[in-house]
Amino acid sequence: SAVISQKPSRDICQRGTSLTIQCQVDSQVTMMFWYRQQPGQSLTLIATANQGSEATYESGFVIDKFPISRPNLTFSTLTVSNMSPEDSSIYLCSVAGRANEKLFFGSGTQLSVL
Amino acid sequence: SQKIEQNSEALNIQEGKTATLTCNYTNYSPAYLQWYRQDPGRGPVFLLLIRENEKEKRKERLKVTFDTTLKQSLFHITASQPADSATYLCALDDTGGFKTIFGAGTRLFVKA
Repeated sequence: SAVISQKPSRDICQRGTSLTIQCQVDSQVTMMFWYRQQPGQSLTLIATANQGSEATYESGFVIDKFPISRPNLTFSTLTVSNMSPEDSSIYLCSVAGRANEKLFFGSGTQLSVL
Repeated sequence: SQKIEQNSEALNIQEGKTATLTCNYTNYSPAYLQWYRQDPGRGPVFLLLIRENEKEKRKERLKVTFDTTLKQSLFHITASQPADSATYLCALDDTGGFKTIFGAGTRLFVKA
């Protein structure tokens, strides 16, 4: 299993500002995933972050809005840039277990944009 | 279009009864399907995985079935307890297992 520490756990931000979310894993992992969960909706994959390469973004998500860093095998950050109220959501980082057959999640970041 | 559908309505059951949750998918060909539990303010926690060549998988009070013809998985909790109250998410692999796609989840309430 993997233990994931994510911070901040919640934040309230002003429109137009940016927030960086940090994700620390207790073991080295190849792939880290960033998800968004809007109220009452499913988890939506934002991007996959591999160490040493550019993140791979899903349809509807772009690097300018959600820049990701992956400096080593245990750490990643997701920045939500130029925020608007529509960005209010829970953001979750996750890593894959052995054979990529299960995901482990952090506790999430509850973001509210005013 | 591709879809994963779970009952959006909450499921209310009495303690001791069996809870059955449904997951249907369209236009996916998953090699496996997963079930997660999510409590308020927490990230999802993995419960069970069932492969396409498996009909049924059990773990303690949990049972999962997978019907690739119907494109459906059923998740059962037997002898349910109030502590089982949570949201249950089904998920499947896409693009050869490098991407996991989630349903919206079903909220389960177990009354004492």
